[in-house]
Amino acid sequence: GQNIDQPTEMTATEGAIVQINCTYQTSGFNGLFWYQQHAGEAPTFLSYNVLDGLEEKGRFSSFLSRSKGYSYLLLKELQMKDSASYLCASPHTNAGKSTFGDGTTLTVKP
Amino acid sequence: DTAVSQTPKYLVTQMGNDKSIKCEQNLGHDTMYWYKQDSKKFLKIMFSYNNKELIINETVPNRFSPKSPDKAHLNLHINSLELGDSAVYFCASSEQGQETQYFGPGTRLLVL
Repeated sequence: GQNIDQPTEMTATEGAIVQINCTYQTSGFNGLFWYQQHAGEAPTFLSYNVLDGLEEKGRFSSFLSRSKGYSYLLLKELQMKDSASYLCASPHTNAGKSTFGDGTTLTVKP
Repeated sequence: DTAVSQTPKYLVTQMGNDKSIKCEQNLGHDTMYWYKQDSKKFLKIMFSYNNKELIINETVPNRFSPKSPDKAHLNLHINSLELGDSAVYFCASSEQGQETQYFGPGTRLLVL
């Protein structure tokens, strides 16, 4: 089965850096996704890691350690518009099934 | 051009009614999904279809019946609506089932 854990809420200050952690236990590993979901909107893709290490995309970076079953999303130079829910997701070995974490609600304060 | 579209965006109805939500994707993807997101914001998969065939059915009451007339469409029919069905329902699609999923805008269902 799939089990994904991430913190429920985080708060950070505009301009700061925040790290959102995700731990997972899966019966078969096919990489790890991060999605962003603003209130009242659909989730949108942020990143996909399948190999260990850090992948950087502008202000957002995602890290994966397969041996530790651990990933994090790093957001730099936080902006107010980064206030959203961040979902960690693991695709299953059976095509068509991804397990989503319950999401981390990030609030960015001035 | 909208990649994944759903109709209606809002649906308010009475308990006991039957309603349908439609989803279409123009990305040429093989796999489509229905998710339910409740008031606590937990996103739970309900069904997935690959090339019109059901491959995932996640312990959903049989009042919910998905139908895929072709691989670009996945509709969700709900019979005898209950108060607990109130949620946002998201349709999504992906190329082969393990890649990035593209979500529709969601259908906000309120059962009174």
